[in-house]
Formats: sequence, structure tokens, C-alpha cells
Amino acid sequence: SQQGEEDPQALSIQEGENATMNCSYKTSINNLQWYRQNSGRGLVHLILIRSNEREKHSGRLRVTLDTSKKSSSLLITASRAADTASYFCATKPSGGYQKVTFGTGTKLQVIP
Amino acid sequence: DTGVSQDPRHKITKRGQNVTFRCDPISEHNRLYWYRQTLGQGPEFLTYFQNEAQLEKSRLLSDRFSAERPKGSFSTLEIQRTEQGDSAMYLCASSLSAAGSYEQYFGPGTRLTVT
Repeated sequence: SQQGEEDPQALSIQEGENATMNCSYKTSINNLQWYRQNSGRGLVHLILIRSNEREKHSGRLRVTLDTSKKSSSLLITASRAADTASYFCATKPSGGYQKVTFGTGTKLQVIP
Repeated sequence: DTGVSQDPRHKITKRGQNVTFRCDPISEHNRLYWYRQTLGQGPEFLTYFQNEAQLEKSRLLSDRFSAERPKGSFSTLEIQRTEQGDSAMYLCASSLSAAGSYEQYFGPGTRLTVT
């Protein structure tokens, strides 16, 4: 079963524009991660934000986390054609469990 | 290449046959995960090993599925009496259980088609 729901399911933007995708989840978490998947490189980890953090940056990526609303957003600034991929949020629950639950994904297309 | 490798990359089998997939994690990683992914969906957790111990297993995993990780190195996932609904991409990932380290490194996957 998928815990996270990404929104929108699909997004098409022009190169240079910003892309924002959102993730909602259901249970208490230890951390939330974002992964990218494309046909060329498979699933790749992008960034992790812990439950006690509210915002994190990595290069052109900015992630926010609102644990009261059980939601997160991923912002990609100055998008490039190479950013075309599916993006998934993945949550690790509180406690000692290592199971990570992925969302349904946002399919991003960046048009050159 | 020192990433996660999976073998085979593609498998076509007839319904009712048994199949086995292999995953070789990054050598120093002690955690290993198996996921299943169908078209248009995110990866779905199947099971998790820390070293050779299988510590978590999805309730969605039927008794036709079994996974092993002898000696805490490579892992195998076996599906017995395959059904058409088993057709999916099977992904393996590994990670290191250092404090605060949760990043998983994924292999390219094994695409299973059950006819």
C-alpha cells in the first residue's frame, strides 16, 4: 500500500521555470525523502528531511515539511530538460522500523 | 561499477513456474531491501534485511514469496507458482546503518513478465 500521495500526478513546464510538487502522508514519521526515477538512471535519492526540520536545501532543490499537516513539498528551481523524470516522496515511520513507504509519484516533463 | 546490481534484468515466465532473482548490494552496506513496482505506481515495500536477518516483511507478501540473504551479502527473491498479477519490476536497494543514514541506493531492477 502507498502511504504518500503526490500532487499533481503530472506536471509539464518550460525549461527555466520552477516546478513544485507536493506529498501528503498518513502516519507519524521519522523522516521524509524524495527520490527521482527516470529510465536512464533508475531510482536516485535526492534529499532527506527529518521530522524536526522544516526546510532543507540542496542545490536547486528546496524541500519543506509540515508535520502538523502531514505534508511536504519539493521545489526544483530553474528547471532543465534533464529534470524530466518521476518524483516520489518516501516516508520512514517513527520507531525502529526501517520500512520506507513510497508515494504514487509526480511525473515531471520539462520542455526545452 | 560498485553500485547495486540485479540479475536478470528481464525475465519472462509462464504462469505456475518458479522464478528467482538475485541482488548484489554495495559491498559495505548491511541493509538490503526488496520492492515491487507496477506501472504508474511508486515502489511497494516487500521485505528488509539487516545483515543476514530478515527483520521486516510486508503483510502483502504472500507465502509464494521468499527472500534470503545468506552470509549477509547477496540476496535472492523467489516467487513460487507465479501468477499474472506478479508481473512487475522488482527492485533491490541497499543502505548503510550508520547513525542518521537512511539513503537507499537502488539497483536497475528485474522486470518480470508472467504469461
